[in-house]
Amino acid sequence: GAGVSQTPSNKVTEKGKYVELRCDPISGHTALYWYRQSLGQGPEFLIYFQGTGAADDSGLPNDRFFAVRPEGSVSTLKIQRTERGDSAVYLCASSRPGGPAFFGQGTRLTVV
Amino acid sequence: AQSVTQLDSQVPVFEEAPVELRCNYSSSVSVYLFWYVQYPNQGLQLLLKYLSGSTLVKGINGFEAEFNKSQTSFHLRKPSVHISDTAEYFCAVSDDNNNDMRFGAGTRLTVKP
Repeated sequence: GAGVSQTPSNKVTEKGKYVELRCDPISGHTALYWYRQSLGQGPEFLIYFQGTGAADDSGLPNDRFFAVRPEGSVSTLKIQRTERGDSAVYLCASSRPGGPAFFGQGTRLTVV
Repeated sequence: AQSVTQLDSQVPVFEEAPVELRCNYSSSVSVYLFWYVQYPNQGLQLLLKYLSGSTLVKGINGFEAEFNKSQTSFHLRKPSVHISDTAEYFCAVSDDNNNDMRFGAGTRLTVKP
């Protein structure tokens, strides 16, 4: 597509529930990043993929968070047993080798 | 991994005044450097980037930044700001394979009339 697409744009879920956030990167971009941005903060690195593999997942806060990119394109960020502290805007970005990262509009997750 | 420090969390300036937003980075490898802008209620947009070559990089909306390897800095400048430049500005660094991009905490630029 023309840009990075993230769905849903907004997600409200109850504490303890499971959620999936989807990212469709720009076609041909091999690198894909997930970030989390809380109000008034910069994007916090979670994980990045080169192709299908997670090259660095050191930013995932705990084992409730997991991300996949099975075919090297679309990625899904999965959060189990959501907590109110997980509320944030989850950003996805993609890039081609040597190029800048382009961001989606984000998914605003609210855990109530 | 790389890291970024943006020394100023808020920068208020008057319209038509010059502005500098400071960014320092830390890395053990060669880096790429970026500035992104986030307008209220909008997504992150790339302002400019340094990959290689000339250390003075020009971006959109009249912004420019200078890569200083010895000082590990990539400060953003604009000679005359407009009200419409009011936004959050983020500096980012990645290794020179464009992997593992890390962001600073951001600088909120507020331009006053």
